[in-house]
Amino acid sequence: EAQVTQNPRYLITVTGKKLTVTCSQNMNHEYMSWYRQDPGLGLRQIYYSMNVEVTDKGDVPEGYKVSRKEKRNFPLILESPSPNQTSLYFCASSSASSSSYEQYFGPGTRLTVT
Amino acid sequence: GEDVEQSLFLSVREGDSSVINCTYTDSSSTYLYWYKQEPGAGLQLLTYIFSNMDMKQDQRLTVLLNKKDKHLSLRIADTQTGDSAIYFCAATDSWGKLQFGAGTQVVVTP
Repeated sequence: EAQVTQNPRYLITVTGKKLTVTCSQNMNHEYMSWYRQDPGLGLRQIYYSMNVEVTDKGDVPEGYKVSRKEKRNFPLILESPSPNQTSLYFCASSSASSSSYEQYFGPGTRLTVT
Repeated sequence: GEDVEQSLFLSVREGDSSVINCTYTDSSSTYLYWYKQEPGAGLQLLTYIFSNMDMKQDQRLTVLLNKKDKHLSLRIADTQTGDSAIYFCAATDSWGKLQFGAGTQVVVTP
């Protein structure tokens, strides 16, 4: 089954404790991205990757890091999480050959930073 | 950059039609999308429309695009309780990047 998976689905952590949220897709998609969803703000892009070893900042990259060492994986790293990073995070992927730029979303990771 | 706006809440009676509206600012947007988010789930693509189309129909869903006014709408006919969700409008900007609206919470009442 074609899908985007994220782990963990729920995470409660404390300020300053490094964490990684994993994202994996099995569709051989070139493009992957991370979004955060906050009430009243919709989805805002954090980082994106056009292919392996190619990453770039989205609209709200501060406090986040990413890497793309393999095509299928695109982890999101919070080196020193702060309470304002409490949010719902989504990973998405799409094919570079898709004419409609359709993105496939993971189920989301709800992060709480205390 | 692209700015996408939509109303935040819509209440509709079961069996009625729902209309969700969206405006965008980038006239070069190539594709416009409607995504649905059910509670506790990720976003699911409902439908999309290419910018050279005025209308697209897909079963109970009708998308209308007014390029002159940069206005997009989604009509759901015969709204069911299973249609209760958050609906996101999204548009590609001139770089092909997706910009989302804030989402419209649709509540279907019996």
